Amino acid sequence: GAVVSQHPSWVICKSGTSVKIECRSLDFQATTMFWYRQFPKQSLMLMATSNEGSKATYEQGVEKDKFLINHASLTLSTLTVTSAHPEDSSFYICSARGDSTNQPQHFGDGTRLSIL
Amino acid sequence: AQTVTQSQPEMSVQEAETVTLSCTYDTSESNYYLFWYKQPPSRQMILVIRQEAYKQQNATENRFSVNFQKAAKSFSLKISDSQLGDTAMYFCAFMKQNTGNQFYFGTGTSLTVIP
Repeated sequence: GAVVSQHPSWVICKSGTSVKIECRSLDFQATTMFWYRQFPKQSLMLMATSNEGSKATYEQGVEKDKFLINHASLTLSTLTVTSAHPEDSSFYICSARGDSTNQPQHFGDGTRLSIL
Repeated sequence: AQTVTQSQPEMSVQEAETVTLSCTYDTSESNYYLFWYKQPPSRQMILVIRQEAYKQQNATENRFSVNFQKAAKSFSLKISDSQLGDTAMYFCAFMKQNTGNQFYFGTGTSLTVIP
């Protein structure tokens, strides 16, 4: 149980385009989803926390207009990187948690984003 | 604020041997959770083991066990009978109780199991 699916796993696109990454909880209702960014050989950096039906809470230094997060249902959250530039190239990972606040987060497999 | 420190950037161990990864944390909270996650080359984050701070007994999951020292704010991971598939990055993580919010991750330890 507790499977989180992230799509796509790898995307390459031109500078200036927008890219959408989906995060789905397949067998549980994800009240809260988290988006992380990970640079090579570094730890996960929390970008934002999203709760179903409400606006995402962004961490300091993360541009909310650049990284649009939508959590429209209990099983789906999306991260859209708008007007992507090469410096946005990174590994993006989502995680999800159910109703209980004391449960661990379940992670997706991540998305490797490469901006040319 | 909470901080999590992993002082060993890289470690290696011979297959079938035992290795211990260290993790210390700093918090003023009394109720919290600690986790070890494994990230193999596939980059998937896999939960290895979890410890509730209010439990004195160290958590164990098959070949994985922890040494939780609450007073010292230490949470080390012991891997027994190391296998080649254990090669991965290992992250220690802290979560405050009843917030359901942020995980505070350490910087990670890259473990290589040598055949």
